[in-house]
Amino acid sequence: DAGVTQSPTHLIKTRGQQVTLRCSPKSGHDTVSWYQQALGQGPQFIFQYYEEEERQRGNFPDRFSGHQFPNYSSELNVNALLLGDSALYLCASSSDRRPYNEQFFGPGTRLTVL
Amino acid sequence: TQLLEQSPQFLSIQEGENLTVYCNSSSVFSSLQWYRQEPGEGPVLLVTVVTGGEVKKLKRLTFQFGDARKDSSLHITAAQPGDTGLYLCAGIYGNKLVFGAGTILRVKS
Repeated sequence: DAGVTQSPTHLIKTRGQQVTLRCSPKSGHDTVSWYQQALGQGPQFIFQYYEEEERQRGNFPDRFSGHQFPNYSSELNVNALLLGDSALYLCASSSDRRPYNEQFFGPGTRLTVL
Repeated sequence: TQLLEQSPQFLSIQEGENLTVYCNSSSVFSSLQWYRQEPGEGPVLLVTVVTGGEVKKLKRLTFQFGDARKDSSLHITAAQPGDTGLYLCAGIYGNKLVFGAGTILRVKS
C-alpha cells in the first residue's frame, strides 16, 4: 500500500516565478492538507481540500492556491515567489470518515527560492 | 490564534538516559497528537490523546494529556540512538493541525 507521495522532491526557483507541487494521497483517503515547514520550525497549515473544494485555509496570502482532482490527488501553486517562500512543503492525507483527523504525511518537496 | 510552545528546543543526551518533552498552550484542544520527524522525511504520527488526564504508552514512550487539555508531555525511558529526531506536538483545531516548533532530540551512543 503506497503512502503519500509528493513530486518533485527538490526544486529551485528564482524570485517572481511560479511553482506547482503535486501530491497523491494514501489509498482510501479523500482529504488532502498542505503545510509549509520553514527551517527549524514546525509545519504551518496552508489549506485543506475535500471533495475538490478548499475546506479550510490558514494564514497564507492569495499567492498560494490549490486544486484537488476527482482521484483525490492535489496540487499546490505558488505565484510571484519570494525568498521567504523557501521551505519544505508537506502534503498530508486523511480520511474524512476517520476520527481525530489522523493525517499521514508525505516526504515533502524542498523548495529553494533564489 | 492557537499557539503551542514546546520545550526544550534542543536536547542532547547519552544512551540510556530518561527525558521529558513538554507542549503547552493557552488554548484548549479537542485532542492532541505527537509526531516524530527525521531529516528528509515527513512527520510520522506517534499517538493521539483525546481525554483530559489521559496517559498512553508506546513501548518506552509515555504520553500524557493535561487535565484541562491545554498541555501534554512526552517521556522517553532509556533513550536509544534510534530515538534521535524532531518531536512535534500538534493540536487538532477543526480540520487543521496546529504544530509547535518542535524539540530536536539527539541521543549519543
